[in-house]
Amino acid sequence: AQSVTQLGSHVSVSEGALVLLRCNYSSSVPPYLFWYVQYPNQGLQLLLKYTSAATLVKGINGFEAEFKKSETSFHLTKPSAHMSDAAEYFCAVSEGNQFYFGTGTSLTVIP
Amino acid sequence: EAGVVQSPRYKIIEKKQPVAFWCNPISGHNTLYWYLQNLGQGPELLIRYENEEAVDDSQLPKDRFSAERLKGVDSTLKIQPAELGDSAVYLCASSSSGTLPDTQYFGPGTRLTVL
Repeated sequence: AQSVTQLGSHVSVSEGALVLLRCNYSSSVPPYLFWYVQYPNQGLQLLLKYTSAATLVKGINGFEAEFKKSETSFHLTKPSAHMSDAAEYFCAVSEGNQFYFGTGTSLTVIP
Repeated sequence: EAGVVQSPRYKIIEKKQPVAFWCNPISGHNTLYWYLQNLGQGPELLIRYENEEAVDDSQLPKDRFSAERLKGVDSTLKIQPAELGDSAVYLCASSSSGTLPDTQYFGPGTRLTVL
């Protein structure tokens, strides 16, 4: 089975600073990878997904992620954090219809 | 296009009481998922339906949990009787099979509190 590791359960950044949320996966074949965001009391919203078309994937709200096969990573970045980015972020890997989620990273944005 | 609809959004019950959650997936999505999300954790799959067939229910605690998707559209998840440890958010998601990757779209969830 696949597994996903999100390093850092809590990340704090200042408003305007770079956001970097880490995700590593375990897979022997190129996987499909996803980042979801969850705002308080809401469901998960798809930010972006990797489908092997391009290693740098752009998503909504200015986020992007880069697939690095050699590092088995799919880190999420945003050049400049906004207060509205404060939320829980989940990395996921899919194998057919099965999704495997990481434990999440809570992002705090400091004014 | 309407998203995944779930109701109720919040439910508070006493232990040993029954409870039911309802989910209506995105129109045309034949795959439906129920997830359990504990505080500070990622979603964990309870059951997956392909149309009306439960194709993966290995993580569903069948002694107290049941689910149905009678006409292959909306679905109900039931707990009877509820225990204190069932307090969590129950998420429903849907996807359209046939194209990879099978992107899942989530509803807002039902937050269950068992007292």
